[in-house]
Amino acid sequence: QKEVEQNSGPLSVPEGAIASLNCTYSDRVSQSFFWYRQYSGKSPELIMSIYSNGDKEDGRFTAQLNKASQYVSLLIRDSQPSDSATYLCAVRCRDDKIIFGKGTRLHILP
Amino acid sequence: DVKVTQSSRYLVKRTGEKVFLECVQDMDHENMFWYRQDPGLGLRLIYFSYDVKMKEKGDIPEGYSVSREKKERFSLILESASTNQTSMYLCASSRIRTDPYEQYFGPGTRLTVT
Repeated sequence: QKEVEQNSGPLSVPEGAIASLNCTYSDRVSQSFFWYRQYSGKSPELIMSIYSNGDKEDGRFTAQLNKASQYVSLLIRDSQPSDSATYLCAVRCRDDKIIFGKGTRLHILP
Repeated sequence: DVKVTQSSRYLVKRTGEKVFLECVQDMDHENMFWYRQDPGLGLRLIYFSYDVKMKEKGDIPEGYSVSREKKERFSLILESASTNQTSMYLCASSRIRTDPYEQYFGPGTRLTVT
């Protein structure tokens, strides 16, 4: 059974600090990794995709991938109250299915 | 911008009714997906389609069927609605050639079956 694991939270971070969200996955041959943001009552919105080991930066967001450790993370710098949401990690598995984690609730403290 | 639209934001139906949920995307995406999302259970894939008239079962297809007669439209059908199908239903689409597998979601339909 392929799995994507995330800490459910809530993760509370002071405004202006760095929020660090983590995700592990079980399918060793996974090739594509995604982070989605979901506000309460809304649908998921794609923030970043990452395909290679290392870091990928986009504005205040940095995705980090370590395939050897089967670990992907999302860093949010200069956290804002508007970043308060649930963040979903998603992984493309060997059969091309996308498996979503259950999400981490992030709360930015003003 | 990718745009995925769903026919209703909120829907209330009675047990036993046949329910149609429509999804349309305007970016010529090959792949389309139907998920349901429930608290504590996350996103669960119901059905997906890689091409017109093609469909594949996801993880929880029981009680559902789908139709894809045109590339831009993917319909989810609840043959006989039951209370355990009360949920948020999310449609998504993606390409298979460039930026593959990045899924773009519609706004969702919150279905209540009474």
